[in-house]
Amino acid sequence: DGGITQSPKYLFRKEGQNVTLSCEQNLNHDAMYWYRQDPGQGLRLIYYSQIVNDFQKGDIAEGYSVSREKKESFPLTVTSAQKNPTAFYLCASRGQGPDTQYFGPGTRLTVL
Amino acid sequence: QKEVEQDPGPLSVPEGAIVSLNCTYSNSAFQYFMWYRQYSRKGPELLMYTYSSGNKEDGRFTAQVDKSSKYISLFIRDSQPSDSATYLCAMSAGVTGGGNKLTFGTGTQLKVEL
Repeated sequence: DGGITQSPKYLFRKEGQNVTLSCEQNLNHDAMYWYRQDPGQGLRLIYYSQIVNDFQKGDIAEGYSVSREKKESFPLTVTSAQKNPTAFYLCASRGQGPDTQYFGPGTRLTVL
Repeated sequence: QKEVEQDPGPLSVPEGAIVSLNCTYSNSAFQYFMWYRQYSRKGPELLMYTYSSGNKEDGRFTAQVDKSSKYISLFIRDSQPSDSATYLCAMSAGVTGGGNKLTFGTGTQLKVEL
């Protein structure tokens, strides 16, 4: 069954802690993306990676970090420098061809 | 002004109605246009994809793109309660836009009532 998985589904963090969100895909896609979704603001791009061992900042990268050591995996770390981390985080991937992206189920992060 | 504008709704229609959802945009470099459906607390699901101007039909769904007016639409015929969701438009300038990045509208919340 091909798809994108994200874990955990819900995550609670205390202020000052770093947390890492997992994203795995078995679609053999080269490109992967991380978005943040807040009510009334749509999806905003945090980081993206077009190939293994390479990634670029998106529109709101401050306070976040990523790595892309394997084609299948693109974890996102929300650091303590992110001032307002409570949000719904979505991971997506894109294969060759059309500019369509396929999304995982999301992780809801809440800072206590 | 945002690059992509989308009425947030909520839009409430009776079952069986024809629904029209719209987005306007300002970046003339956009050439790939998508509609996603997102149920509450779930990831967006790709519904329709269109390249450049024109119409595309898939079952009860029709996507229209008018690049001259910078306006895209999604029509849903014979709407069902299961269509109740938030609909996101998205668009891309392709590789020339840098990383094939998508720009999203804020989403329109649709409720189809029995």
